[in-house]
Amino acid sequence: GQNIDQPTEMTATEGAIVQINCTYQTSGFNGLFWYQQHAGEAPTFLSYNVLDGLEEKGRFSSFLSRSKGYSYLLLKELQMKDSASYLCAVMDSNYQLIWGAGTKLIIKP
Amino acid sequence: DGGITQSPKYLFRKEGQNVTLSCEQNLNHDAMYWYRQDPGQGLRLIYYSQIVNDFQKGDIAEGYSVSREKKESFPLTVTSAQKNPTAFYLCASSSPPGQGTDTQYFGPGTRLTVL
Repeated sequence: GQNIDQPTEMTATEGAIVQINCTYQTSGFNGLFWYQQHAGEAPTFLSYNVLDGLEEKGRFSSFLSRSKGYSYLLLKELQMKDSASYLCAVMDSNYQLIWGAGTKLIIKP
Repeated sequence: DGGITQSPKYLFRKEGQNVTLSCEQNLNHDAMYWYRQDPGQGLRLIYYSQIVNDFQKGDIAEGYSVSREKKESFPLTVTSAQKNPTAFYLCASSSPPGQGTDTQYFGPGTRLTVL
């Protein structure tokens, strides 16, 4: 079966750095996506990785290791508005997105 | 402004009634998707369409139906056959998968509650 694993909940302090991990087992691989979802709202696209390595975009970075089936999202200089769920999704060989259940990130002052 | 709209934002329905959720996009995307989101679970694909007048079942299509008569529109009908329809429904669109820019962009969602 296909599976995406990420922690259910994480807590971090404003101004700090947090790393959200995602491991996957899928039928094929055509890229990995990270989305941010605030409570009651739709997911918004953060990043896309298809090759191994780190992609940096402002305060957010995403890393991929295809051989390990592993990705992480790194959030720097945390702000209160970063409190949200972060969804990891992998595009399989049929170009369908397989979604993790999401990681709820709580930011404390 | 380009984007995806869904209406209504909140919807209440009595058991045994069919209800149709609207999804419209002006991003000129060929592909459109319907997902269902339940607490503690990942998004689950209901139906998707890669071109007008064609659509495919996703993982949980039972009790749902769709149409794709126009490129911009992909309405979802939740029928009385759906056993547990209370959920947050999300519509998304993208360029055709596998053509390089296949990031899915989401509408604001419709929260359906069955009374």
